[in-house]
Amino acid sequence: AQRVTQPEKLLSVFKGAPVELKCNYSYSGSPELFWYVQYSRQRLQLLLRHISRESIKGFTADLNKGETSFHLKKPFAQEEDSAMYYCALSGGNTGKLIFGQGTTLQVKP
Amino acid sequence: NAGVMQNPRHLVRRRGQEARLRCSPMKGHSHVYWYRQLPEEGLKFMVYLQKENIIDESGMPKERFSAEFPKEGPSILRIQQVVRGDSAAYFCASSPAQGGGPQETQYFGPGTRLLVL
Repeated sequence: AQRVTQPEKLLSVFKGAPVELKCNYSYSGSPELFWYVQYSRQRLQLLLRHISRESIKGFTADLNKGETSFHLKKPFAQEEDSAMYYCALSGGNTGKLIFGQGTTLQVKP
Repeated sequence: NAGVMQNPRHLVRRRGQEARLRCSPMKGHSHVYWYRQLPEEGLKFMVYLQKENIIDESGMPKERFSAEFPKEGPSILRIQQVVRGDSAAYFCASSPAQGGGPQETQYFGPGTRLLVL
């Protein structure tokens, strides 16, 4: 079955600390993985996708097929990173997204 | 280019009434996806449409729910005879026709919050 798991509902760190939001997936094939972010009172927006291998706002994510993981990392958290983060998987030929439950990142001053 | 528009933003219905949720994709986008987010849960795929066609409705409940994306006008998600369990946030996303097709980035609307009394 296709599934995305984000084990942490809430992650709270201090400004300047490293951040890692965990994401594990289950998919029999070659999935495409994404991280979406929702800032307070804004709509859901794409943060990054694994095929582009780019760093956005200091965040990176590496697809680890052996561990079926796509963890989101940032070396030094900023207060403006506080938001809800969703990991998502796209498989098959329709592009539909399968989302994890989401992790709220709270960066304290 | 205005983003994906959804209306109404909030909708209150009594049990047994009908709910109609509208989604206007971004200009030039002809792929529309609907997702539902129940309280304390992640977004769940419902249906994928292209103009005048339902491509994948594997996430739609078997009864009371229907969706359409006519040649002209917005995509509509229709829920008949609503029940309390339909209370949720319903999100629409669109992606462009050109490029990689359904693998293109999906752009999300602000959602419609449906409350069934």
